[in-house]
Amino acid sequence: AQSVTQLGSHVSVSEGALVLLRCNYSSSVPPYLFWYVQYPNQGLQLLLKYTSAATLVKGINGFEAEFKKSETSFHLTKPSAHMSDAAEYFCAVRTKAAGNKLTFGGGTRVLVKP
Amino acid sequence: KAGVTQTPRYLIKTRGQQVTLSCSPISGHRSVSWYQQTPGQGLQFLFEYFSETQRNKGNFPGRFSGRQFSNSRSEMNVSTLELGDSALYLCASSLEGLAAPPSYNEQFFGPGTRLTVL
Repeated sequence: AQSVTQLGSHVSVSEGALVLLRCNYSSSVPPYLFWYVQYPNQGLQLLLKYTSAATLVKGINGFEAEFKKSETSFHLTKPSAHMSDAAEYFCAVRTKAAGNKLTFGGGTRVLVKP
Repeated sequence: KAGVTQTPRYLIKTRGQQVTLSCSPISGHRSVSWYQQTPGQGLQFLFEYFSETQRNKGNFPGRFSGRQFSNSRSEMNVSTLELGDSALYLCASSLEGLAAPPSYNEQFFGPGTRLTVL
């Protein structure tokens, strides 16, 4: 079985500050890991994905994430927050055994203060 | 290339009715997955279709069903609507090959259909 836990349902950061969103996964087999962003009244947009190549993954909009097997984590970071980063972020896991099914974390809503 | 489109975008129904939602995947994509998003349960997988066959299914009651047509367009149907079915229903398509299991190809999401059950 696969599962994802996102620590913190809400995160508030100041514009220009570091954004850190935490994601821990549980999987009995090597996982594929994803971060998605959802803006109000929109679907999900892929930020980045880990597919067992490099452990440090760079995505769009300046985001990156590091896969740490020993910690079963895949935290998302961005060095400097912009107002446009205000959105909800979802971590998701997928394994070959589960097919195309994505299992999502509960989401973290990011508020960016000017 | 056009993205994933979902129709209608908004829908209001009453308890006991049934509803059909439509999803048109990106051209060339053969896999279509459906997800339900609610404030309480978050994002949950409903089912996936590939080449007109249901390939995977989540833990939802039989009132939730779907199908896929030869052009890869997909519909999902919910019968005997309940208040708890109010949600954003998201469709996602991906480029899959013929070999199984599927690869890690990115799933592209549509904007969703917001269903309100009164």
